[in-house]
Amino acid sequence: QKEVEQNSGPLSVPEGAIASLNCTYSDRGSQSFFWYRQYSGKSPELIMFIYSNGDKEDGRFTAQLNKASQYVSLLIRDSQPSDSATYLCAGQGGKLIFGQGTELSVKP
Amino acid sequence: EAQVTQNPRYLITVTGKKLTVTCSQNMNHEYMSWYRQDPGLGLRQIYYSMNVEVTDKGDVPEGYKVSRKEKRNFPLILESPSPNQTSLYFCASSTGGIEKLFFGSGTQLSVL
Repeated sequence: QKEVEQNSGPLSVPEGAIASLNCTYSDRGSQSFFWYRQYSGKSPELIMFIYSNGDKEDGRFTAQLNKASQYVSLLIRDSQPSDSATYLCAGQGGKLIFGQGTELSVKP
Repeated sequence: EAQVTQNPRYLITVTGKKLTVTCSQNMNHEYMSWYRQDPGLGLRQIYYSMNVEVTDKGDVPEGYKVSRKEKRNFPLILESPSPNQTSLYFCASSTGGIEKLFFGSGTQLSVL
């Protein structure tokens, strides 16, 4: 069974801090990775995707991919209370597999 | 406005009573998919469709049916719902691959 694993959390960080969300995957054939944000009671929305090893930055968000270690992470700089949500990691290797999500809480 | 529309938003039913959850997208997307979301299990794919009249099973297809007669519509059918199908359901679409999924607002289903 090909899996994507995330810590379910909740992860709590103070406002202005860096939030680090982590994800590991078992399928070495996975080529692309996605981070979706899901506010409580809402549907997931794509915030970042990454295909290549290394870092990809978009505003306050940085996605990191290490294919050798089968590890994906999402860093949120200057965390805001509005970033409080569940973050879903997904890997694509033929099919898209979602992790169980990490709940992030940013405290004012 | 580009969107994926699911109906109903909430549904309470009884065991064995057939139901249909509708999904429609206005973005001319070829790919459509159904997911269920359960606490601690994340999003699991039920069925997907790469194009009209082309459907295939996802990871948890048992107890569900789908059809894709038109490009914009992809209904999810539960012929004989059971309590273990109580879940939050999402329809999603994308242009052709799965690079960026657009999700509907979800359907919270309770089977008593």
